[in-house]
Parts: sequence; structure tokens; C-alpha cells
Amino acid sequence: DAGVTQSPTHLIKTRGQQVTLRCSPKSGHDTVSWYQQALGQGPQFIFQYYEEEERQRGNFPDRFSGHQFPNYSSELNVNALLLGDSALYLCASSFSGEKLFFGSGTQLSVL
Amino acid sequence: GQSLEQPSEVTAVEGAIVQINCTYQTSGFYGLSWYQQHDGGAPTFLSYNALDGLEETGRFSSFLSRSDSYGYLLLQELQMKDSASYFCAVRSFYNQGGKLIFGQGTELSVKP
Repeated sequence: DAGVTQSPTHLIKTRGQQVTLRCSPKSGHDTVSWYQQALGQGPQFIFQYYEEEERQRGNFPDRFSGHQFPNYSSELNVNALLLGDSALYLCASSFSGEKLFFGSGTQLSVL
Repeated sequence: GQSLEQPSEVTAVEGAIVQINCTYQTSGFYGLSWYQQHDGGAPTFLSYNALDGLEETGRFSSFLSRSDSYGYLLLQELQMKDSASYFCAVRSFYNQGGKLIFGQGTELSVKP
């Protein structure tokens, strides 16, 4: 079992650009959540996908959007990048219950 | 609103016992979770307290008291590999779908 995999591991973009991050959930998991983690902070919830629908959303602007595919994998898209979007983006999958399985994240740097 | 407070840093020596506290302000939640994150790594689930009391998993134990809005993670027989950040997290009754709210994290340094 490969666990939760994310790609790419690192990414450098400039302000105003757009970025797409990808996540494959743990085998058997149908729910994917995305979190943003700034340096020295706890993860902040962006949104969650279940059955290809956005089920819940955190306090993030519409520049942040996502998608879930029939195979449960997911994408996070961020448009019009700002310097403040520089962070570690974590994907977490779950099936039921309280336990989340996280990927190692994508480190995004916006210059 | 909902917030969780943790100490930012804790230092202890190998073999010792350390307690990481988490106090919270939330109007209602399903339970308190703890996650461990090594530098640059994925957060990994450690424990979950749905009910008040102590849950034990090997060297790690976690405690919850809803009446005191308080929980803690207890690490025994500390090892160097326990040096990491530890986060408490809750999922409130008003967040159907599993949004977890994390504390700011406690950086644990284990010294020889």
C-alpha cells in the first residue's frame, strides 16, 4: 500500500501564475482533504472532496479550487498566486472515522 | 469561534516523560486527536480521545477532559526520534464532513 502520494514535492512559481497540485489517496479511501501549512504553524483546512463533490470549505478565497476524479484522486488549483501562498500543501485521505492519512506535501514557493 | 492552544516548544531528555497540553475553545466537538510531524514530513496520526479519560498506545498516552476544555499527550521513555512537532486537533459538531481544526503545534526537542 503506497499510502497518500502527492506531486510534485517542490514547486517554484512567480506571482500571478497558476499552479496545480495532485494527490492520490490511500487505497480504499474515498475522501480527500487539502490543508495549507505555513512554516511553524498548524495545518489550515482548505476544502474536502467526497464523491467528486466539494463537501466542505475553509476560509480560503475562490482562487483556491479543486477537483476529485472517479478514482478518488484529487487536484488543488491556485490561481493568481500571491507571495502569501507560499506554504506546504498537504493532502489527507480518509474512509470513515477520525483518522486522517497525510501525504508528505508539496512545498510551494512563490517569488 | 474555535481555537486550540499549545505550548510552542518543549525540551526534555532521553528516557524522560513529557506532557504536551492542549486547551481549547469550541462549542462542541466529536473528540480530540493528536498528530506527529517530523521536519518536512507528513503529519501522522497518534491517538484519538472520543470520551473523557486516558487512552494508551504503547509509549504514548492521551487524555481528554471536556469539563475542563483540556487534553494532553504524554510521551514516556523519550527517544531521540520523538523530536518532532505535535499537533492537537478537533472536529466540531458544526463541521460535518471532517474539517479538522489544528493547534499551532508544539515542537519537542529530545536531548541526549
